Amino acid sequence: AQKVTQAQTEISVVEKEDVTLDCVYETRDTTYYLFWYKQPPSGELVFLIRRNSFDEQNEISGRYSWNFQKSTSSFNFTITASQVVDSAVYFCALPHSGNTPLVFGKGTRLSVIA
Amino acid sequence: DSGVTQTPKHLITATGQRVTLRCSPRSGDLSVYWYQQSLDQGLQFLIQYYNGEERAKGNILERFSAQQFPDLHSELNLSSLELGDSALYFCASSGRGGTYNEQFFGPGTRLTVL
Repeated sequence: AQKVTQAQTEISVVEKEDVTLDCVYETRDTTYYLFWYKQPPSGELVFLIRRNSFDEQNEISGRYSWNFQKSTSSFNFTITASQVVDSAVYFCALPHSGNTPLVFGKGTRLSVIA
Repeated sequence: DSGVTQTPKHLITATGQRVTLRCSPRSGDLSVYWYQQSLDQGLQFLIQYYNGEERAKGNILERFSAQQFPDLHSELNLSSLELGDSALYFCASSGRGGTYNEQFFGPGTRLTVL
């Protein structure tokens, strides 16, 4: 069965610091996708990234970057020069085996203090 | 704005009652998913529909049921409500039923059972 572990329950940083959110996953699939979602205080879930297991290159989008390492089953998310607006709960997820419903980690609550 | 709409935004009801949550997917999306987010269980997949047919079932209670209509909107029916059913219910949609497309989430319906 698929499993996603986000060991960091809460992280607090001061504005402009870099922060990395960890995600470790378990799957028996040889091909799979990984996702990150952001849930700001307003409550909606915002899609951030989808990553294919074939592609282990790091992905960068502005201040956001993702490090995918198949060897350690990790898909970590780094925010560079954090801002107060980055305060949210971040979820890592991967689909159920053979289907598209997502299995979510418990989430990491990030607080960025001005 | 994800393009997925959910109504109502908030719902307060009493134990033993029945409620219906409504979801309209993004234009063109055939798959609709329902998730429940509670403090103790986190984000859990309930059920998926694809073009009107049930595609996958997760941790959905027998007291809960869903359907997807010909216009692709979906309804989640919760009956014999218990205090523990209080949660945020999300609907998500994606473009195709069999591939790992990103799922776009609606704003959620917050259900409070008193």
